[in-house]
Formats: sequence, structure tokens, C-alpha cells
Amino acid sequence: KQEVTQIPAALSVPEGENLVLNCSFTDSAIYNLQWFRQDPGKGLTSLLLIQSSQREQTSGRLNASLDKSSGRSTLYIAASQPGDSATYLCAVLNTGFQKLVFGTGTRLLVSP
Amino acid sequence: DADVTQTPRNRITKTGKRIMLECSQTKGHDRMYWYRQDPGLGLRLIYYSFDVKDINKGEISDGYSVSRQAQAKFSLSLESAIPNQTALYFCATSEGYEQYFGPGTRLTVT
Repeated sequence: KQEVTQIPAALSVPEGENLVLNCSFTDSAIYNLQWFRQDPGKGLTSLLLIQSSQREQTSGRLNASLDKSSGRSTLYIAASQPGDSATYLCAVLNTGFQKLVFGTGTRLLVSP
Repeated sequence: DADVTQTPRNRITKTGKRIMLECSQTKGHDRMYWYRQDPGLGLRLIYYSFDVKDINKGEISDGYSVSRQAQAKFSLSLESAIPNQTALYFCATSEGYEQYFGPGTRLTVT
């Protein structure tokens, strides 16, 4: 059974810092990995999707990497801003079953 | 207008009541999903549908039922609500391998 773990559970940084969020998964048979952002009481916004054949994806200040063989992904946020404060979720899409398995998220607070 | 909408956005109901959560999408996707989110547990899949005639149980389907009325509509029902069904419920759609989520319904069962 696929299990997804995110470390740390919470992170507090001052504005301007570069930071890394970690995601690990137990079964490497995945189609892709998605990073989402969730604001309090709101839905999920897809940030980046990495196909299993890819190593990384970039969007603006965000860069996500994938090492399928070791079951790890990282989300790098450059020059963090208070508006980046949210919960970040990673999810993997398993081959064959077509359902997303989510991690429990990292709650990020960026202070001005 | 949002591509995936959910109604209601917030609902408080009493134990034993029947309640329906509705999801509509304008993305034209065949695949639709219902998840629930609980603090510390992440999102868990309740039911999913790959087309109007294909409905499947997810990992936590007990106490829930669904109806796929059309390609664009997927409803989740709680036949007899209980307090541990208090959660944030999300609908999602996909075509291919990327999922798109609605804004969520916050359900409280007292």
C-alpha cells in the first residue's frame, strides 16, 4: 500500500529565505507526483506536476524535483514571501489504479 | 466561473439526517472523485467514477453513497450522518493524470 510522508509538518521562516519541503513515498510505481497548495478553509491549487519520466519541473519561484528510485520529491521555494504561507501537499498517482495518495502536508508560515 | 463547483460550501446537520453534497464541473472531464480531509490524516478517497456508468469505492466508502447523474455532476450522500463524518469534503475531476479540485464543503455533524 502506497504511503506518502511529508517532512516537516510545519515550518516557520522569515521573508526572503529559500526553503525546501520534502515528500517521500513507499512505492516507486507511480505515474506522476503533484504538489498542491491549500489556503485555510479553501480548496487545493495545483502547483506543479512531475511525470514519472521527468526529474524536475519549474514554475516561477517554485522548483519540484523527483527521484522515483529513492521515493523522494522536494519542493524548493526561492525568496519566500508572506503570500506563500499555506499548507503544501504532495500526492502521487499510482500506476494501474489511477487514484491519488496524499501526504499530510507541510504548514508553512512566512513572516514579514 | 470556477471549473469545479461544490454546493453547499458549509453545512451543519444533526446525527441521523440524510445529506447530499453536490459537485458540478465544466471541464468536460470523464473522471470525478470525492475525497474527505481530516486534520492530520490528509485527503482520503471516498468514491471515484471514470464515466457515468462506472462508479467505484475508494478507501473509506462505508457510510457514503454516490450518484453520477451526468458527465458533469457527481453527488455524495450521507444516508444517516454521524459526528465522525465531520470533515472537509472535496470533489475533483481529471482527464489524464492531473486532478483539479473544487473549493470544498465543510460539513459538521452535531
